[in-house]
Order: sequence, then structure tokens, then C-alpha cells
Amino acid sequence: EAQVTQNPRYLITVTGKKLTVTCSQNMNHEYMSWYRQDPGLGLRQIYYSMNVEVTDKGDVPEGYKVSRKEKRNFPLILESPSPNQTSLYFCASQLRGGHNIQYFGAGTRLSVL
Amino acid sequence: TQLLEQSPQFLSIQEGENLTVYCNSSSVFSSLQWYRQEPGEGPVLLVTVVTGGEVKKLKRLTFQFGDARKDSSLHITAAQPGDTGLYLCAGEKDSNYQLIWGAGTKLIIKP
Repeated sequence: EAQVTQNPRYLITVTGKKLTVTCSQNMNHEYMSWYRQDPGLGLRQIYYSMNVEVTDKGDVPEGYKVSRKEKRNFPLILESPSPNQTSLYFCASQLRGGHNIQYFGAGTRLSVL
Repeated sequence: TQLLEQSPQFLSIQEGENLTVYCNSSSVFSSLQWYRQEPGEGPVLLVTVVTGGEVKKLKRLTFQFGDARKDSSLHITAAQPGDTGLYLCAGEKDSNYQLIWGAGTKLIIKP
């Protein structure tokens, strides 16, 4: 089954404790991205990657890091989480070409205390 | 940052009623997508409209792309509780992989 898998689905942590949210897709998509979703603000892109070893900042990259060592994986790293990073996070992938149709993971709800 | 304005932000109606959700921008898009997101899940694509004036139907849902490709609407006929969810529009510009997202319309259909 074609899917984007995020882990964990829920995470509660404390300020300053490094964490990683994993994302994996099995559709051989070149493009992957991370979004955060906050009430009233919609989806805001954090980082994206157009292919292996190619990453770029989205609209809200501060406080986040990503890496793309393999085509299927695109982890999101919070080196020193802060309470304003409490949010719902989505990983998405898309195939090159077409109309940029994105396939989303089920989301990771993060709370930073 | 270019924006897509969605309206209304929130809509709660009775089962059987009709409704329309709007997605507007001052920018031209090469295509526009509509997604539905249910609680605990990621957004799922409903439809993509590409040509100015295009109308697409998905059962009781009718999607229209404006003639100038700056706006779109989603009309639901005889809404049902299963239509409840967050509806998001997203516009594609210049095929550079980037999508411009609306803030979403939270729709609740009461039985």
C-alpha cells in the first residue's frame, strides 16, 4: 500500500530536549516536505527536499533541521524544542511532474512543556 | 508570501442543506487542489482543477475553477454528516513543487 509513515504519532517533551520525528514514503517520490498546522493558520511549510541531499527552507524553518540521506526518508529534527513549537506536524511527498499532488502522513502531535 | 483566502473559516449546518466554500487569491495559479482532512489524519486530495472555468463533480461535491484561475469554489449539495471535516485549498504556481495553502474551512454537518 502506498503511504507516508510518520513516527511517533504523539509526543510530549520538555523544553530543550532534542527530538526527531521520522518520515518514510514507499512511493519513490523525489519531493518531500514538512508542514506544521496550527489553528487558523493552515499548513505552513517548514522545510522541503527536491531529492536526495537537496533540502531548502520553507516559510517557517527557524528551530528545525532536516536531512535527506535516502530517497524514502526525511526526518525532522528539533535540536532544542521550545513551547512555540507545540503543533501538529505533517510530512508529505509528491512525484515530480503532474500538479504537485501531495500525499500526507497521518501527523505527529507534539507538545513541548 | 502569497495567500489563498478561504471563506468561511467555520461552518456548521444541518444535514440536507447546501453550502459553498470559497478560495480566493489575487494570484494566478496553474492548478488548484482541494483536500479534505479528518480528525487524526493528514489531508487527502479530493480534486485538481486545471483549466479556467473548469467544473468537476465528485458525487455531491462540485468544484469550480474561476475563469481567470485566481479563485475556486466547492459546493456541497444535501450535506451529510460524513462530509464533516477540514477542507483545504492549495494553489500550484509555476510547477516549482510549491503549493500555496489556504487556512482551511472547518465544516460540521449536524444530523
